[in-house]
Amino acid sequence: DTAVSQTPKYLVTQMGNDKSIKCEQNLGHDTMYWYKQDSKKFLKIMFSYNNKELIINETVPNRFSPKSPDKAHLNLHINSLELGDSAVYFCASNQGGNTEAFFGQGTRLTVV
Amino acid sequence: QKEVEQDPGPLSVPEGAIVSLNCTYSNSAFQYFMWYRQYSRKGPELLMYTYSSGNKEDGRFTAQVDKSSKYISLFIRDSQPSDSATYLCAMSNYGQNFVFGPGTRLSVLP
Repeated sequence: DTAVSQTPKYLVTQMGNDKSIKCEQNLGHDTMYWYKQDSKKFLKIMFSYNNKELIINETVPNRFSPKSPDKAHLNLHINSLELGDSAVYFCASNQGGNTEAFFGQGTRLTVV
Repeated sequence: QKEVEQDPGPLSVPEGAIVSLNCTYSNSAFQYFMWYRQYSRKGPELLMYTYSSGNKEDGRFTAQVDKSSKYISLFIRDSQPSDSATYLCAMSNYGQNFVFGPGTRLSVLP
């Protein structure tokens, strides 16, 4: 009964490929996020969705496209993968505003 | 100036020591302050959160916020090897995203 679950946990793929990472939360939260954590461990927000609606879209290449079919799911699709996309991607959710965010276990993406 | 600054460490202390972890921030609109702990190859997990200036204690952990100085701290008393992890401060303004510090890597040596 994992609160925020993302799949796959590890993803190794070649440059130029298209891949998706899925995220689901069973906490009933309204807001979901995608964060990227680089090799220096810096967590940077990419997207935020509230009730399936895009709220935050930081400066991210448009090769990254989030999709939220319902408020419990926020998937991340990445086109034409580049070496610099290698990182750990975390999904998170909260009830919005100032409530604490719960994180998934991360997807370690390696582009070769 | 970055929005949230935090010394990345690494910080090594002997078991039983008191650990002090700190962050400074520049956005006075932040109202909500959190500390997350992240073990290697795991997602961040919330340790403590607070809205207001002052101290908040939870077991061996104390979170301190000084809004006038834009400075937050996390103190760990009687540190244990199991406390070895990366500690990330985070803060938010209502309705905005969380902004994380880069994290401080802590090692508690037995």
